[in-house]
Amino acid sequence: GENVEQHPSTLSVQEGDSAVIKCTYSDSASNYFPWYKQELGKRPQLIIDIRSNVGEKKDQRIAVTLNKTAKHFSLHITETQPEDSAVYFCAARINAGGTSYGKLTFGQGTILTVHP
Amino acid sequence: GAVVSQHPSWVICKSGTSVKIECRSLDFQATTMFWYRQFPKQSLMLMATSNEGSKATYEQGVEKDKFLINHASLTLSTLTVTSAHPEDSSFYICSATGEGYEQYFGPGTRLTVT
Repeated sequence: GENVEQHPSTLSVQEGDSAVIKCTYSDSASNYFPWYKQELGKRPQLIIDIRSNVGEKKDQRIAVTLNKTAKHFSLHITETQPEDSAVYFCAARINAGGTSYGKLTFGQGTILTVHP
Repeated sequence: GAVVSQHPSWVICKSGTSVKIECRSLDFQATTMFWYRQFPKQSLMLMATSNEGSKATYEQGVEKDKFLINHASLTLSTLTVTSAHPEDSSFYICSATGEGYEQYFGPGTRLTVT
């Protein structure tokens, strides 16, 4: 099955700096890659996602890049703010149908702390 | 956006009893629902995938006789933890997909088994 590795496990930055979180996946059939932000005791919230036919996607201060050849994708947060502090998870999914349709495999998570 | 609810939001039960958690898609028909378990400071681990009207598909290592899943309609799935033990204490989260790519998560249920 799919395996997703996420690094780093913790990331501490100063307010205004950029933060980068990286993930690698193992199954070349994966074609959907969402990123989630989870605050303590809350549900994961989708912050950005990318499909395999796109190399980069940006939404204000957040961007995601995908390298299908190397099977890795990254989350970039610019101009970080204290409210960005949370746990961030990457995930990968095969959308090709069959029993694996819609099944997300999550990375281990990154605890991001933004210091004022 | 689409809304998924869970009930209860938290529950405390005694060891050996069973607990039922409901997951509902409020404004869309969920073709597939998922159940995850999340221990403190860990990632979400998929327990099972369920489609309306069919048996759930359990992930390796998840006991199907202990974690009973019923996807009775396109808007409701239930997870029953049978004969709960303290090691079953965790944060249980459901999610649902409709026709699009996005998976919508419920708010989670905190289960504590004493």
